[in-house]
Amino acid sequence: NAGVTQTPKFRVLKTGQSMTLLCAQDMNHEYMYWYRQDPGMGLRLIHYSVGEGTTAKGEVPDGYNVSRLKKQNFLLGLESAAPSQTSVYFCASRDLDRSEETQYFGPGTRLLVL
Amino acid sequence: SQQGEEDPQALSIQEGENATMNCSYKTSINNLQWYRQNSGRGLVHLILIRSNEREKHRGRLRVTLDTSKKSSSLLITASRAADTASYFCAFMDSNYQLIWGAGTKLIIKP
Repeated sequence: NAGVTQTPKFRVLKTGQSMTLLCAQDMNHEYMYWYRQDPGMGLRLIHYSVGEGTTAKGEVPDGYNVSRLKKQNFLLGLESAAPSQTSVYFCASRDLDRSEETQYFGPGTRLLVL
Repeated sequence: SQQGEEDPQALSIQEGENATMNCSYKTSINNLQWYRQNSGRGLVHLILIRSNEREKHRGRLRVTLDTSKKSSSLLITASRAADTASYFCAFMDSNYQLIWGAGTKLIIKP
């Protein structure tokens, strides 16, 4: 099992450019999450999904869109990147079973917006 | 903000000593989890304690939870250089979302 994978690992964008971050998990998890991590702060939830075809807003959703067309993939899109979106982005997944509430994380994507 | 608060922000100790990190929160919780992050990498789950539990052990890790004080602590005993990392607490709120603390950066000096 690869667990949770993220592509790309690193990207530099110019202000106004768009990009999509891909998260894939092979654990058949129902729940998937996108977080951003900024220096000196904990993770902040951007969007999440409780199953294929569903998405919901987290704490900091503005400027981002997501899609969950397939259960194993969760895409995070930036339509018009801004310097404030420079961050490290983490994807996570977890099982539907409430007794298994651990989240499994990908290695992260470092995004620099100039 | 509902974010958890952790202290200390940074901790530097000698190898072999014990390390204690604390986490506080403001809302009611379903459980509280601790994660570890090596520099620049993804987070790895360490231990979960449920709201009806007071103490839990896993190897050299000991977690306590005091729901009356809305606080938790993580103790790492007999620290090793490989324990150098950032440690995050995250509490699961009533909506089953994880709310994260800002982390404690732990440095173990050989």
